[in-house]
Amino acid sequence: AQRVTQPEKLLSVFKGAPVELKCNYSYSGSPELFWYVQYSRQRLQLLLRHISRESIKGFTADLNKGETSFHLKKPFAQEEDSAMYYCALTSFSGGYNKLIFGAGTRLAVHP
Amino acid sequence: DGGITQSPKYLFRKEGQNVTLSCEQNLNHDAMYWYRQDPGQGLRLIYYSQIVNDFQKGDIAEGYSVSREKKESFPLTVTSAQKNPTAFYLCASRSGTGSGGTQYFGPGTRLLVL
Repeated sequence: AQRVTQPEKLLSVFKGAPVELKCNYSYSGSPELFWYVQYSRQRLQLLLRHISRESIKGFTADLNKGETSFHLKKPFAQEEDSAMYYCALTSFSGGYNKLIFGAGTRLAVHP
Repeated sequence: DGGITQSPKYLFRKEGQNVTLSCEQNLNHDAMYWYRQDPGQGLRLIYYSQIVNDFQKGDIAEGYSVSREKKESFPLTVTSAQKNPTAFYLCASRSGTGSGGTQYFGPGTRLLVL
């Protein structure tokens, strides 16, 4: 079954501390993975996708096929990083493309 | 931001009533999606449409219906058969074709039952 698991509902850190939001997936085939972020009172927006291999707002995520993981990392958290983060996986079957989302992790960065 | 609009921002439904949520996009995207967002459950797919006049059931389609008569519009109707409709509803459209592309989301509609 295709599935995305985010084991932590809430991650609470202090400003300047490292952050790692965990994401594990189950998918037969070559996965395409994303991290989406939802700041308070804003719409859900793409943070980064694994094929881009880029750093956005200091965040990076590396696809580890051996561990079926796509953890999101940032070396020094900022208060403005506080938001809801969703890991998502593209499912492409029968000509249809859809996203499968994890349950989300709320990141709270304290001063 | 921009490009995908949803209305209304808040919607109240009475028992036994059907209500329709609007989703419009001017991004020229072929594919559009409806999700339901509940606390602790992430986003769950209700319906999706690859092109005009085509749509497919997602994981939780029961109690919902859609239409795709125009490329720009993908309205969602929450019928009286949906017993637990209170949620935040998100519409999205996708750039790209085939197995690629990125989904872009609207601001959402919060549906409440009176």
